[in-house]
Amino acid sequence: DGGITQSPKYLFRKEGQNVTLSCEQNLNHDAMYWYRQDPGQGLRLIYYSQIVNDFQKGDIAEGYSVSREKKESFPLTVTSAQKNPTAFYLCASRGTSAQDTQYFGPGTRLTVL
Amino acid sequence: ELKVEQNPLFLSMQEGKNYTIYCNYSTTSDRLYWYRQDPGKSLESLFVLLSNGAVKQEGRLMASLDTKARLSTLHITAAVHDLSATYFCAVAYNTNAGKSTFGDGTTLTVKP
Repeated sequence: DGGITQSPKYLFRKEGQNVTLSCEQNLNHDAMYWYRQDPGQGLRLIYYSQIVNDFQKGDIAEGYSVSREKKESFPLTVTSAQKNPTAFYLCASRGTSAQDTQYFGPGTRLTVL
Repeated sequence: ELKVEQNPLFLSMQEGKNYTIYCNYSTTSDRLYWYRQDPGKSLESLFVLLSNGAVKQEGRLMASLDTKARLSTLHITAAVHDLSATYFCAVAYNTNAGKSTFGDGTTLTVKP
């Protein structure tokens, strides 16, 4: 089945640690996105990538880093510089036609201990 | 900067009733999305609205777009419990990059 997978589902981080969230898609989409969702709020864009080996900062990129070495994969690293990383992280991908919406993965819930 | 405002933020309604959720946005856009999110889950795409006057319907949900008024509505007809969820609108501001600004969501609870 085509879709987007994210792992792990739950992640606990100690202060000062970097952690990496995985996102894989088999939809053959060029564009991929990372969002952060805080309780009671909408999604905010962290990073996005429109093509392999290229990515752009979103609205809240500080304290995060990404890579896009393969079309299928867009991992997100939450660094120790991110002061308030506890949140729900969603990865999405999108095709290229005008009708295309974003398809979201199941999410990773990150908690800082 | 594009701002997106949804109202109401919380909506409790009885089964069988009708209601409308509103999504207002501050700058010109020609593409708007509606998503559904169940508690603790990811987002599911409901509608893509691409032009002024666009109307789409799926089951008990109908979405419309008025680009001149910068307003989209999500109308719920004869609500049932299964529609209980949080509904987000997202307004495109960079269609080439697929970038959108999301509203804060409307949490709908349908009571028997």
